[in-house]
Amino acid sequence: KQEVTQIPAALSVPEGENLVLNCSFTDSAIYNLQWFRQDPGKGLTSLLLIQSSQREQTSGRLNASLDKSSGRSTLYIAASQPGDSATYLCAVRGGSGYSTLTFGKGTMLLVSP
Amino acid sequence: GAVVSQHPSWVICKSGTSVKIECRSLDFQATTMFWYRQFPKQSLMLMATSNEGSKATYEQGVEKDKFLINHASLTLSTLTVTSAHPEDSSFYICSAGLAGGPETGELFFGEGSRLTVL
Repeated sequence: KQEVTQIPAALSVPEGENLVLNCSFTDSAIYNLQWFRQDPGKGLTSLLLIQSSQREQTSGRLNASLDKSSGRSTLYIAASQPGDSATYLCAVRGGSGYSTLTFGKGTMLLVSP
Repeated sequence: GAVVSQHPSWVICKSGTSVKIECRSLDFQATTMFWYRQFPKQSLMLMATSNEGSKATYEQGVEKDKFLINHASLTLSTLTVTSAHPEDSSFYICSAGLAGGPETGELFFGEGSRLTVL
């Protein structure tokens, strides 16, 4: 059974810092990995999708890497802003691509002005 | 990108009543939709996989008679919480994938529905 772990559980940084969120998964036979953002009481916003054959994806100040063999992914946020404050969820999809996502518990990020 | 809409976004009901939550894919067809629930400060837990035109597949520990799922069309799946009790209070989120195959395998999520049972 796939298990996804995110470290740290919470992170508080001053505005402008670069930061890294970590995600690890136990079964490397994945189809893809997605990073999401969730604001309090809201649904999920997809940030980046990395296919199993890819090593990284970038969108604006966000960069996500994937090392499938070691079961790890990182989300790098450059020049953090207060608007980045949210919970960030990592999720992996099973090998067939038809299965659902398995989520980590998330990293709660607070960026202070 | 593809849009998934949930309705209602929040609902308060009395214990013992039934509540229906709709999940619609607005600009794409989805043969498969997934229903999750999320407790405060917890991650999303899969409840069931909903396939258009067939019975839903429930995860272990999820009561199929309590959480009725109907996926009558390629753009609509509904979750009905029957005889709701306070312990059913939670945040319910649906997701959908594109019909015709996994392709990118990206799943798109609704905005969630907050259920509070008094």
